[in-house]
Amino acid sequence: GAVVSQHPSRVICKSGTSVKIECRSLDFQATTMFWYRQFPKQSLMLMATSNEGSKATYEQGVEKDKFLINHASLTLSTLTVTSAHPEDSSFYICSARETGYAYNSPLHFGNGTRLTVT
Amino acid sequence: RKEVEQDPGPFNVPEGATVAFNCTYSNSASQSFFWYRQDCRKEPKLLMSVYSSGNEDGRFTAQLNRASQYISLLIRDSKLSDSATYLCAVPGGGAQKLVFGQGTRLTINP
Repeated sequence: GAVVSQHPSRVICKSGTSVKIECRSLDFQATTMFWYRQFPKQSLMLMATSNEGSKATYEQGVEKDKFLINHASLTLSTLTVTSAHPEDSSFYICSARETGYAYNSPLHFGNGTRLTVT
Repeated sequence: RKEVEQDPGPFNVPEGATVAFNCTYSNSASQSFFWYRQDCRKEPKLLMSVYSSGNEDGRFTAQLNRASQYISLLIRDSKLSDSATYLCAVPGGGAQKLVFGQGTRLTINP
């Protein structure tokens, strides 16, 4: 149980274009999902907390107009990287905690999206 | 002080050896802790949750030292397949998010 699916797993795009990444909880509902970014040999850095039916909460230093998050249902959150630049190339990973579980329960991760901007 | 800190390693140990590494955290009120395993270019996978003094699962043991604010992960009889990066995570800022350490890279050598 507790499967999180992320799509696409890999994407290459040209500078200036936008890329949408989907994160789905397949067998549970997730009121809240989390978007992380990981650069090579570095740890996971939280970008934003995605809340179903309301605005996302962004971490300090993350541009909300560049990284658009939409959490339209209890099983789907999307991250759109707008006007992508080579420095946005990274590994983007979503995660979710099943609705009703306490904050001190673990997160379930999607398989990640490797974005390369040329 | 960072919320969660780990020695990045790398740790290189022979197969069959016992290896341990620590993770320090800054919030003394933290009540839960997690160890994740991450293989190269893959997503993290939950290895172990720690809610009290420690936890044990087969060859893996996690121990919590609240006084010194660190948790450790010990791997006994290490296997080649244990080679990975081990990430420590702690709930952060009173919110629902998890804050990760930078990870400890472990390589088990034949």
